Amino acid sequence: QKEVEQNSGPLSVPEGAIASLNCTYSDRGSQSFFWYRQYSGKSPELIMFIYSNGDKEDGRFTAQLNKASQYVSLLIRDSQPSDSATYLCAVNVAYNTDKLIFGTGTRLQVFP
Amino acid sequence: DGGITQSPKYLFRKEGQNVTLSCEQNLNHDAMYWYRQDPGQGLRLIYYSQIVNDFQKGDIAEGYSVSREKKESFPLTVTSAQKNPTAFYLCASSGSWDKNSPLHFGNGTRLTVT
Repeated sequence: QKEVEQNSGPLSVPEGAIASLNCTYSDRGSQSFFWYRQYSGKSPELIMFIYSNGDKEDGRFTAQLNKASQYVSLLIRDSQPSDSATYLCAVNVAYNTDKLIFGTGTRLQVFP
Repeated sequence: DGGITQSPKYLFRKEGQNVTLSCEQNLNHDAMYWYRQDPGQGLRLIYYSQIVNDFQKGDIAEGYSVSREKKESFPLTVTSAQKNPTAFYLCASSGSWDKNSPLHFGNGTRLTVT
């Protein structure tokens, strides 16, 4: 089992819809969770981070964390074509707090 | 503006040659990292450094070397021992070694070895 798993996609949603991106992780002791957006050929940029169970909202983005079920999700409301990118989930691993494990990313396509 | 600068953006080398990728940050961050990204794969950690003159191997350190002589600089050398060096290389930094401190990435160097 991979330490951090994401569906590679592509996830296609129409403009204005809600895009839901999911990530599961294997290390039950993980405490820090990050979402990065990566446009094709570019470097990742931080979108959100979450440390506690529940929801965290920032503009059109909402991160949701459920430690009991070991998943973290990212919701993008009012999706725009400019949101089309690959979204990387990153999780710290409790057995080595120095280490951040990245998923392979989910490609999101928002069509007009 | 504060940020992380990687150079060059594109790099081409012949097989058997060592090559050094530059990474400089003016964010006053303590921790710096090197990741490698291949198509269809997540970011894989090569080396990281918490403080000057100290660094640790990541998951795929074989064939790579680093130095951390200054807080601002963390160059990566891809040696001829690295079997598949063609990849997108990303340098990152974080404000502290706290596990909650997010990573900030440079713009990357795309290395092609033929």
